[in-house]
Amino acid sequence: QKEVEQNSGPLSVPEGAIASLNCTYSDRGSQSFFWYRQYSGKSPELIMFIYSNGDKEDGRFTAQLNKASQYVSLLIRDSQPSDSATYLCAVSPSGTYKYIFGTGTRLKVLA
Amino acid sequence: GAGVSQSPSNKVTEKGKDVELRCDPISGHTALYWYRQSLGQGLEFLIYFQGNSAPDKSGLPSDRFSAERTGGSVSTLTIQRTQQEDSAVYLCASGARGASTGELFFGEGSRLTVL
Repeated sequence: QKEVEQNSGPLSVPEGAIASLNCTYSDRGSQSFFWYRQYSGKSPELIMFIYSNGDKEDGRFTAQLNKASQYVSLLIRDSQPSDSATYLCAVSPSGTYKYIFGTGTRLKVLA
Repeated sequence: GAGVSQSPSNKVTEKGKDVELRCDPISGHTALYWYRQSLGQGLEFLIYFQGNSAPDKSGLPSDRFSAERTGGSVSTLTIQRTQQEDSAVYLCASGARGASTGELFFGEGSRLTVL
C-alpha cells in the first residue's frame, strides 16, 4: 500500500461546478496535511493545509480531514478553467518533517 | 532572488557520467528537501536537511545518489554513474521549520535527461 494515494484522473468538471479531489494515507499518526497545485511544466505551490478534523475553508477552496478514516479531500467551488492543473496531496507522517506526496489528480475544468 | 534557485535548469548527460545539481534555498529557511518527479508521476522524496542535524536520507534510491548541504544553505545533489532511469525533474524545496503552515517553497527544478 502506498503511503499517500490519489486517483490520477483526469477528473473533468464543467466550469462553475464543484470539483472534489480525494486522498487517503496510511500512517494513522500523521498530523499535517497539505494540498499543492502544480500547473503543467511548473513547480508545486501550496494552496491549503489542514491539521484538525473537519473542514477548513479558504475562498473557493475547502479542505476536509477525517483522521479516523485516514482521508483528506479538497473541494473547489465554482471551478474555473484556470483551476485546471494537477493537485498533489502531501502528508507529514508522525514524528517527522518529511512530506510524502501522492501521485496527484489531474483536474480539467471545461469552459 | 527571493525564491528557491536551482541549477542547471536542464542537463543532458550520457549514461555512466556523474552529475551535480545545485539548490540555493530561501534565505533563513533551515529545512531543505530534494524530490524527484518522473514524467506524469508524483513527487518522490529523496533527502531532507534540517539545520545542522543529520540529514534524513531514507528516500535516496541507491548509493549512487548523495547530497550535501554546506553552511546550512546551498545544497548539492550528486548522482554518480547515471542510468537512464535517473531521468526526471529534480525539485528542491525549502521551508522554515516551525512555520505554522508547514509550507514548502519549490524551485523550478533541474530536468535531467540521461541518454
